[in-house]
Amino acid sequence: EAQVTQNPRYLITVTGKKLTVTCSQNMNHEYMSWYRQDPGLGLRQIYYSMNVEVTDKGDVPEGYKVSRKEKRNFPLILESPSPNQTSLYFCASSLYLGRGLSPLHFGNGTRLTVT
Amino acid sequence: DAKTTQPPSMDCAEGRAANLPCNHSTISGNEYVYWYRQIHSQGPQYIIHGLKNNETNEMASLIITEDRKSSTLILPHATLRDTAVYYCIAAWRAGSYQLTFGKGTKLSVIP
Repeated sequence: EAQVTQNPRYLITVTGKKLTVTCSQNMNHEYMSWYRQDPGLGLRQIYYSMNVEVTDKGDVPEGYKVSRKEKRNFPLILESPSPNQTSLYFCASSLYLGRGLSPLHFGNGTRLTVT
Repeated sequence: DAKTTQPPSMDCAEGRAANLPCNHSTISGNEYVYWYRQIHSQGPQYIIHGLKNNETNEMASLIITEDRKSSTLILPHATLRDTAVYYCIAAWRAGSYQLTFGKGTKLSVIP
């Protein structure tokens, strides 16, 4: 089954403790992206990647890192999490069509709480 | 990407057509209009997209005005399972990879 898999689904951590949220897709998609969703603010893009070793900042990249060493994986790294990074996170992927992107496929989300 | 404006919420009676509007007055000629929906806190789901012609698929219809400054997503026979937040985004399919979703419209389908 074609899917985007995020892990973990739920994560509670403390301020300053490094964490990684994993994202993997099995559709051979070139494009992958991370979003965060907060009440009243909608979905905001954190980082995106057009292909292996190519990443770019989205609208809210501060406090986050990403890497794209393999096509299927796009982990989100919080080096020193803070309470304002408490949010619902979504990973998405898409096929690069040469003249743009196919519609996005989203994962089921990771709910992160930083205390 | 062009900015889109949607009403924050709408109600629709079950079995009736749900018409969700979206304004994108600054859309450029090569920007597509995409619609996604998000049920509760699940990952958003793609519904439909179009450039200037009206589009229809098994889920919905998309009507784009001739000047392309607005569009309407139509769910022909809304069911309770269509209760969700609906997002309209305008994105240049040929190269805009920084996709902005905004706050969307909360559609409530009422029995």
